[in-house]
Amino acid sequence: GQNIDQPTEMTATEGAIVQINCTYQTSGFNGLFWYQQHAGEAPTFLSYNVLDGLEEKGRFSSFLSRSKGYSYLLLKELQMKDSASYLCAVMDSNYQLIWGAGTKLIIKP
Amino acid sequence: GAVVSQHPSRVICKSGTSVKIECRSLDFQATTMFWYRQFPKQSLMLMATSNEGSKATYEQGVEKDKFLINHASLTLSTLTVTSAHPEDSSFYICSARAVLGADYNEQFFGPGTRLTVL
Repeated sequence: GQNIDQPTEMTATEGAIVQINCTYQTSGFNGLFWYQQHAGEAPTFLSYNVLDGLEEKGRFSSFLSRSKGYSYLLLKELQMKDSASYLCAVMDSNYQLIWGAGTKLIIKP
Repeated sequence: GAVVSQHPSRVICKSGTSVKIECRSLDFQATTMFWYRQFPKQSLMLMATSNEGSKATYEQGVEKDKFLINHASLTLSTLTVTSAHPEDSSFYICSARAVLGADYNEQFFGPGTRLTVL
């Protein structure tokens, strides 16, 4: 079956760095997405990786290793507004998104 | 970037009534739109995949006669929750996939519709 695993919840301190991991097993692979979702709102796109390596975009970076079925989202210089759920999703061979359950990130002052 | 709108953003209705939710891609054409449902503290659950001009493909366990989906044009898909009941109360989110180009593999999400059935 298809499966996306990510931690349920993480806590970090304002100004620090946090890494959210995601492992996946899917039928085919057409890219991995990270989305941010604040409570009561729709997800917003953060990053897309289809090749191995690190993609950097401001304070956020995303890494992919296809051979290991592994990705992480790295958030630097954490701000209180970064408190949200972070969703990992893999696009399978049918171009369907398979969603992880999300990681709730709590930022403490 | 591509924008997807949803209307209404919030709706409260009585049990037994039907509710229609619209999803529009504002600045691009979308041959495929997706409808998701999300219960509190849970991840997104795909309900159905909607292709323009053809019948929607429903995920297992989703009643196609209860959740009617119409994708009449490349910019509009509608979800109608028929004879809504309190257990249908949820956050409904649509997304649209761009037709061609660099954005082909990305889904753009609407802002969601909060449905409360009394």
